[in-house]
Amino acid sequence: GQQVMQIPQYQHVQEGEDFTTYCNSSTTLSNIQWYKQRPGGHPVFLIQLVKSGEVKKQKRLTFQFGEAKKNSSLHITATQTTDVGTYFCAGSNSGGSNYKLTFGKGTLLTVNP
Amino acid sequence: EPEVTQTPSHQVTQMGQEVILRCVPISNHLYFYWYRQILGQKVEFLVSFYNNEISEKSEIFDDQFSVERPDGSNFTLKIRSTKLEDSAMYFCASSGGQPQHFGDGTRLSIL
Repeated sequence: GQQVMQIPQYQHVQEGEDFTTYCNSSTTLSNIQWYKQRPGGHPVFLIQLVKSGEVKKQKRLTFQFGEAKKNSSLHITATQTTDVGTYFCAGSNSGGSNYKLTFGKGTLLTVNP
Repeated sequence: EPEVTQTPSHQVTQMGQEVILRCVPISNHLYFYWYRQILGQKVEFLVSFYNNEISEKSEIFDDQFSVERPDGSNFTLKIRSTKLEDSAMYFCASSGGQPQHFGDGTRLSIL
């Protein structure tokens, strides 16, 4: 079945440093979504990428979808303590009556003030 | 902003007992999902539900699991004869397609 790999598993940075997490799917995806989960919280939707080579920005966050629609990345510029949490990518082969998400293992980001 | 709501927030149950986890999806959504997350691990898909039937289920979703939409608002996950390894956070999600919106989860602890 479809597998989504995500690295690194953990990343600890000083406040102000940049952060990147990478996601790779074993199959071509229809779309990829990114979620953030704070400790003890639930996954909160950040963004969805659909087009090959797509790049989207949300303030300090930059999301990319690879040309082959099998890999993606999330880059945070100048991290802040509020960025702490686990960032998950989740791939979908959406269509028909099912939009099942296959999650990566997530990257736990900790930020030292 | 509309939310997915889940009850209870925490459920403690003896091994072998049945549990029912409840979810109220966002009202105009048509697709419903259950996921689980064992402590410290990734979110795993259990089942998707559309048009009053299961559209896909994972290997985890064996015969001890069932889902139901008993009325126009609730979506439930039943686990019969719970096992220790069923201890996890269970998240309900709903969507009108994409993206999926997650509830706060039910923490299930099996003793």
